[in-house]
Parts: sequence; C-alpha cells; structure tokens
Amino acid sequence: EPEVTQTPSHQVTQMGQEVILRCVPISNHLYFYWYRQILGQKVEFLVSFYNNEISEKSEIFDDQFSVERPDGSNFTLKIRSTKLEDSAMYFCASSSGTGGYGYTFGSGTRLTVV
Amino acid sequence: RKEVEQDPGPFNVPEGATVAFNCTYSNSASQSFFWYRQDCRKEPKLLMSVYSSGNEDGRFTAQLNRASQYISLLIRDSKLSDSATYLCVGELPGAAGNKLTFGGGTRVLVKP
Repeated sequence: EPEVTQTPSHQVTQMGQEVILRCVPISNHLYFYWYRQILGQKVEFLVSFYNNEISEKSEIFDDQFSVERPDGSNFTLKIRSTKLEDSAMYFCASSSGTGGYGYTFGSGTRLTVV
Repeated sequence: RKEVEQDPGPFNVPEGATVAFNCTYSNSASQSFFWYRQDCRKEPKLLMSVYSSGNEDGRFTAQLNRASQYISLLIRDSKLSDSATYLCVGELPGAAGNKLTFGGGTRVLVKP
C-alpha cells in the first residue's frame, strides 16, 4: 500500500535554530498538507499546497514557517527560528483529490525544542 | 466554541460490549465527516466516512445528523485492539485541497 514517508522520526533542536522536516508524499497525489499535534492536544491544520504554491494556511503558519517542494518527490516544512512552543508532532499528508477520503498521513516527525 | 467537539473520555469498555459516543460540530459549511483512529503517538488513520443515511463497516456504525450537527460512532463486540483515541473529523472545502478539522478525540479503553 502506498505510504507517505517522513524523516526524521524524531528531531531535537535548540531554541532559535532552523529545522527542516521532510516528507515524501504518495507519488500520484496532487495535494499536500502539514498538520501538527502538540502533546495531549488535537491535530491542527497548518498549510495546504497545490500546484507549487500554498493554497491555504492557518494562523499558526506565521512568517517563521515555510513550505517547499524542491523536486518532484519531496515536500518540506521549514521552521526558521524554533520556539519552545513549536515542540509537537508534525504530520505530513497528501491526497489525490479534494475529497478527504483520499487523505493519507505520514507517521510524523516528533520535534522537541530545548 | 470549538469547531468539532468530543467527549475526551476515557470510555472503559468490557471486551465484547458495545460502546457509542458522538461529536458535535459548529461549522455548517463542513461538507464531509470522518472518524479517524489514532493510537498513542501515531498518525491518524481513517476508520470510516460518515453519511446521513448511516453506514456500517463490520462492527462499526457511523451516523451523521446535519440538522443537529451531530455525528456518532458505535462499536459492537469490542475487541482489545479497539483501544485507541477516536477522532471526529470534518472536511472544509478550500480553494485547492480540503482542510480537515479535528476534534480532540475520544479515548476508548477495552478491557478483558
């Protein structure tokens, strides 16, 4: 079964450092997403990406965040200057169409900011 | 008001019993609804879609009531492996790609 791959599975970084979280979506999917889940809280939408541009972003996704699809397979989330409150599980997802039924989530990257 | 609201539980369920729980949503623009399952520190996994007519998938039955903005999930003949957090999820249409809005989850613990 096709899957969304995320690396690394766990990243520890010092406050103020830049991090890049990497995702390889399912190859024939066209829509890409990042969600995050702070420990003990709900899963929250960050950003959606289609046709090489951001289609929607939440208020969490401020100027410290950026996304990129640098080649035909990777989809990255960059946090420019990490804060303690950025510590969370970050999930990448992709879908083939606009119906939520086609969503597939990656296994996540646990980001710990110290 | 939270967009998707769920009883966090936990619901402690004897193995073999039936458990039911629900969620409410506030955004009537939400087009579709789903139940996802999330195991501890893992990614959400789609359990089933939810339709107004009610739908069943094995031991799981889901129902959507648009008038009351209410969604339910019923699990029959609970197995130990059903222990998980069940996420109620609404889908909002976007310009390109749809955004999923998650509830906080209902924790279910099935015990022998």
